[in-house]
Amino acid sequence: DIVMTQSPDSLAVSLGERATVNCRSSHAILHSANGKNYLAWYQRKPGQPPKLLFYWASTRESGVPDRFSVSESGTDFSLTISSLQAEDVAVYYCQQFYTTPWTFGQGTKVEIK
Amino acid sequence: EVQLVESGGGLIQPGGSLRLSCVASEFFVYNNYMSWVRESPQKGLEWLSVIYGGGSIYYADSVKGRFTVSRDNSKNTLYLQMNSLGVEDTARYYCVREGVGGLWGQGTMVTVS
Repeated sequence: DIVMTQSPDSLAVSLGERATVNCRSSHAILHSANGKNYLAWYQRKPGQPPKLLFYWASTRESGVPDRFSVSESGTDFSLTISSLQAEDVAVYYCQQFYTTPWTFGQGTKVEIK
Repeated sequence: EVQLVESGGGLIQPGGSLRLSCVASEFFVYNNYMSWVRESPQKGLEWLSVIYGGGSIYYADSVKGRFTVSRDNSKNTLYLQMNSLGVEDTARYYCVREGVGGLWGQGTMVTVS
């Protein structure tokens, strides 16, 4: 199984500051046929189901604010919130869908400092 | 409104069975990748199964042989038949429309006790 490892487990950032969530896959999840990494990023707020933020590692979902950005390098991926807002407090997950079983990272909790 | 609505959860004794339903609105289940995912405090988000538009179905090892995914195109509904339930299956169960424009239902709680 592909193991998705996120870091840190939690982080506290001041409002307006940058927050970065990292995700590493134990195997490559780049499909040679289309050159895309089979990775999704989710935001999970309390009492709500996860919300898809990015698909194919970097395809932004409609309505996701520009302050959210992603990067990818080999098997390392990151989600950055450039200027943390109060409504961004959530747990963020990465997920690979390159091969079954699809697997999630353990989640990174982002809080306000 | 585009949405997924799960139902069928509840309290069940170990060894019992449940069938979860997921009704889709404003899109068709049959031509989308649809997954079942569960969430528990112990394991976080755990992918269970995916059914592709063509009908291929894949399962996580933890549920293979016990859970069965099916769909009824006439009812635009996805099902998860769960047999031989154990306490480790206690979780909130979500159905998910995969891909760009991904969508999660609110989930249905299953408690095995």
